[in-house]
Amino acid sequence: LAKTTQPISMDSYEGQEVNITCSHNNIATNDYITWYQQFPSQGPRFIIQGYKTKVTNEVASLFIPADRKSSTLSLPRVSLSDTAVYYCLVGYNFNKFYFGSGTKLNVKP
Amino acid sequence: NAGVTQTPKFRILKIGQSMTLQCTQDMNHNYMYWYRQDPGMGLKLIYYSVGAGITDKGEVPNGYNVSRSTTEDFPLRLELAAPSQTSVYFCASSPSIQPRTSDSYEQYFGPGTRLTVT
Repeated sequence: LAKTTQPISMDSYEGQEVNITCSHNNIATNDYITWYQQFPSQGPRFIIQGYKTKVTNEVASLFIPADRKSSTLSLPRVSLSDTAVYYCLVGYNFNKFYFGSGTKLNVKP
Repeated sequence: NAGVTQTPKFRILKIGQSMTLQCTQDMNHNYMYWYRQDPGMGLKLIYYSVGAGITDKGEVPNGYNVSRSTTEDFPLRLELAAPSQTSVYFCASSPSIQPRTSDSYEQYFGPGTRLTVT
């Protein structure tokens, strides 16, 4: 199981852009990078996933450098409702994903 | 679509009792998963299924059993409940077991079942 390292917690203010970086030095050639969001007492919710370079959807962007040993989730203009735990996962099959403890993002007014 | 549904939402068991956690998905996904999440921790895979009649162990299968008789349902059975099984259980499904750079290749999670064993 490919393990990842991400900050335990981050603080931000409403309206700011938030970047959460994840380190995955042992990423394999076939591995994808996936990010989930989890609110208290709810199941994780898919945010974005990618293999290389940059991926963007309606809620976030994912930046992956050429060596793929890290990735950065970018959340534009966060609001209070973005307060949650964010998980970075690396793997080639969903049954091989490793969920670490995630990054607890606290958005302040 | 209701997505992934789980029942019950909460349950308290006595040590040694048994129970079945129910999971149903209406997205016609072949792949289904059971995870447990202990307080402050990430999710750990218990069992997964790649289709009706086919299941396999994940990272923490001891003390649990699963079956998959239909595409829609993937129940998790706890036999002889122990305090170490106190956790929140999440069921998930996906259209493929492999992620892709496409939002359609994702896992969908249910709302969870909070289980306490005393």
